[in-house]
Amino acid sequence: DAGVIQSPRHEVTEMGQEVTLRCKPISGHDYLFWYRQTMMRGLELLIYFNNNVPIDDSGMPEDRFSAKMPNASFSTLKIQPSEPRDSAVYFCASRVGEGVRTFGSGTRLTVV
Amino acid sequence: GNSVTQMEGPVTLSEEAFLTINCTYTATGYPSLFWYVQYPGEGLQLLLKATKADDKGSNKGFEATYRKETTSFHLEKGSVQVSDSAVYFCALLPMDTGRRALTFGSGTRLQVQP
Repeated sequence: DAGVIQSPRHEVTEMGQEVTLRCKPISGHDYLFWYRQTMMRGLELLIYFNNNVPIDDSGMPEDRFSAKMPNASFSTLKIQPSEPRDSAVYFCASRVGEGVRTFGSGTRLTVV
Repeated sequence: GNSVTQMEGPVTLSEEAFLTINCTYTATGYPSLFWYVQYPGEGLQLLLKATKADDKGSNKGFEATYRKETTSFHLEKGSVQVSDSAVYFCALLPMDTGRRALTFGSGTRLQVQP
């Protein structure tokens, strides 16, 4: 199994541009989580899905952020328009069992 | 609400030293508890877990015991190696709600010097 696959690994974009981060979870995992990690705020849960349905998006910082999961093997996190304060490492994770997550390697986003 | 508090880092140790990273939690009911580790440039990986009071989780020489009376889950290792240098996160999963999201602590960076 290739694990949770995220793309791109690194993204540099200009302020105001749209950014799309992608995630392919492990086949058969029923939950998918999006996290953001920064030095200032640590690891924050943004949103999670169960069987492709968004369950809790209370961590999404503002309307500029949106996430979708059109099928069991793909999810996107979109930021439009992007701002410098969105610079962070974004992780996707899928659930193996209760509390057990498999994380992707993350996307390091830099907004200049 | 639920919360996890970890000791501030970085923790700097010499190789073969004894490691303790403190973790305490606040939660309703009886959560499950976890330690995750993050190596540089990678995502988090599960290190060990415990699902009920007095359980001991262990893996790769690391141990942690679920202490309900002190609401703690301290991580220990008898002899650290340079390769253990990483950031360690304590986390809980509430079992009395339908919410399936982990609550993570702020992380503790461990630096092991040869």
